[in-house]
Amino acid sequence: QITLTQQAESLWISPGERVSITCRASQSLLYTDGKHYLSWYQQRPGQTTKALIYHASVRTDGVPTRFIGSGSGTEFTLSIEHVQPEDFAIYYCLQTLKSPYTFGAGTKLELK
Amino acid sequence: QVQLKESGPGLVQPSQTLSLTCTVSGFSLTSYHVSWVRQPPGKGLEWMGVIWTGGSTAYNSLLKSRLSISRDISKSQVFLKMNSLQTEDTATYYCARVDYSSYFDYWGQGVMVTVSS
Repeated sequence: QITLTQQAESLWISPGERVSITCRASQSLLYTDGKHYLSWYQQRPGQTTKALIYHASVRTDGVPTRFIGSGSGTEFTLSIEHVQPEDFAIYYCLQTLKSPYTFGAGTKLELK
Repeated sequence: QVQLKESGPGLVQPSQTLSLTCTVSGFSLTSYHVSWVRQPPGKGLEWMGVIWTGGSTAYNSLLKSRLSISRDISKSQVFLKMNSLQTEDTATYYCARVDYSSYFDYWGQGVMVTVSS
């Protein structure tokens, strides 16, 4: 199965700063259609899990432009520019290239 | 609008079978796949399995021997059954819709299941 590694368990940042969360796959997530099957999710207490990015770089409807997905092959990054108070949450990557689908272990953004 | 809502018992005894229901609205189970995901307390997300629009299924290999996912299209419900529960199966269980671009675009609120005698 494909393993996703999110190295940072926690990242401490201040509001207004820029942060990058990385996700490394054990094999390429590029499919023959030219798209990467890697998506990003946000979990906040008391709220439903929210999809932020799919195909590595496409924002879902309504997601603020400060959320930026990038990367290719096996290395992916979720960047948040000018972090807002509501962005302090846990972020997960997910690969849906091959079954079994797999999540990264999650990265928690914490207030410095 | 699109909604998913999980339901089931909050407490299950060890060695027993867990039965959960995901009731969906705003879309058809013949148009979208639905996945189950779980999250032990304080831990990360674990993909459990999926039921495709055609009715076939795929499972996490670690759970495959204990897990079954099925559906009732007329009732817009997806079912999860997992047997031989252990304390390690204590978790919040979520169902999620799989978008055509193969990401989980809508999630339920989750149902907390505790395995304990």
